[in-house]
Amino acid sequence: QSALTQPASVSGSPGQSITISCTGTSSDVGGYNYVSWYQQHPGKAPKLMIYEVSNRPSGVSNRFSGSKSGNTASLTISGLQAEDEADYYCSSYTSSSSVVFGGGTKLTVL
Amino acid sequence: EVQLLESGGGLVQPGGSLRLSCAASGFTFSSYAMSWVRQAPGKGLEWVSAISGSGGSTYYADSVKGRFTISRDNSKNTLYLQMNSLRAEDTAVYYCAKDLWELTYWYFDLWGRGTLVTVSS
Repeated sequence: QSALTQPASVSGSPGQSITISCTGTSSDVGGYNYVSWYQQHPGKAPKLMIYEVSNRPSGVSNRFSGSKSGNTASLTISGLQAEDEADYYCSSYTSSSSVVFGGGTKLTVL
Repeated sequence: EVQLLESGGGLVQPGGSLRLSCAASGFTFSSYAMSWVRQAPGKGLEWVSAISGSGGSTYYADSVKGRFTISRDNSKNTLYLQMNSLRAEDTAVYYCAKDLWELTYWYFDLWGRGTLVTVSS
């Protein structure tokens, strides 16, 4: 199972919005609404930010939103804040009954 | 407090074995699927294995199938990962993770701090 494709890095200024893409295939992202997104700060464990494509767990800011079109899922962060600077990973259930992650995207807040 | 605490990591030679443990507290352990997710130094996340709440169903990444075995003891609220025939590419921080819901194993809403496994001679 190949990793989902994410851009290596994105950046934005405080207050701006950014979008991170996550491209898979019809066997994972495109075939199921089982996409999730994780935020990971250096040296810390990942944190679930979005599940089931667009749902936010309790406690996650509504500045974070998710969507999907075909084989590509997207995470949008609006009103960028300094504390949003982190690595972000997408994930999807697959037709092989496994789970696949994206390669990760480093978000820099300028 | 709701938490997961991994243990058992360390330095092991190629071809060797290691067993990781993950102690859960603060939630009904047997009601949730659990997974192991690893992260090689400076690299991204890689799902390793999952097990249903009852322990009756297990799932593995192709990269570890036949070498790793996931199990759980619901009476002890503990998750395990038996790792055999270890390779250098298995070097990583291993996280245990709880699923968000009872019937899924692909949404990880609670993570441990991780335990480092280093495979080297």
